[in-house]
Amino acid sequence: AQSVTQPDIHITVSEGASLELRCNYSYGATPYLFWYVQSPGQGLQLLLKYFSGDTLVQGIKGFEAEFKRSQSSFNLRKPSVHWSDAAEYFCAVGAPGSGNEKLTFGTGTRLTIIP
Amino acid sequence: ETGVTQSPTHLIKTRGQQVTLRCSSQSGHNTVSWYQQALGQGPQFIFQYYREEENGRGNFPPRFSGLQFPNYSSELNVNALELDDSALYLCASSLVGQGDYGYTFGSGTRLTVV
Repeated sequence: AQSVTQPDIHITVSEGASLELRCNYSYGATPYLFWYVQSPGQGLQLLLKYFSGDTLVQGIKGFEAEFKRSQSSFNLRKPSVHWSDAAEYFCAVGAPGSGNEKLTFGTGTRLTIIP
Repeated sequence: ETGVTQSPTHLIKTRGQQVTLRCSSQSGHNTVSWYQQALGQGPQFIFQYYREEENGRGNFPPRFSGLQFPNYSSELNVNALELDDSALYLCASSLVGQGDYGYTFGSGTRLTVV
């Protein structure tokens, strides 16, 4: 069974600073990997996803993530954060060929932006 | 295109009662998945419905059940509510067969069990 670990429960970053959110996964093969963002009281919005190919993935809102098979990681990055990026971020993994599109989520990282 | 609509947005139930949550799929989608998100946790997969049949289930007891209707809308039913069922319930629709996990999530129903 697949699992996801997000080691950082809460991160505080100054506006304009760079950001990296960590995600480690456990799966027997190459999984499908996702990053979602959730604003308070809202559903989940997909930032980006990795299925195969280029290990550096570009997403919406200026986010990118890099798949590193050797480290079982899929860290999310942004070069310069904006106050509107404050939200909860979830990394998720899907199992190719599983017969259904079930996602397994991490526990999330809450991002706070300070002026 | 319309998004995913969930109703109600909030509700409060008493332990032991039953509850039905509703979800309208995004136009063009044929699959609905339900997730439970407890406070401070990530969403957990409850089950998925495709062609009105359950297509995968997470680690939830049988008192969690669902339906999908011909118009691809869906219901989540929870019987014999427990305090631990208090959570945000998220519905997501997708077009199965695309293989791209193209979920569209609704804003959720916040269930409080007292």
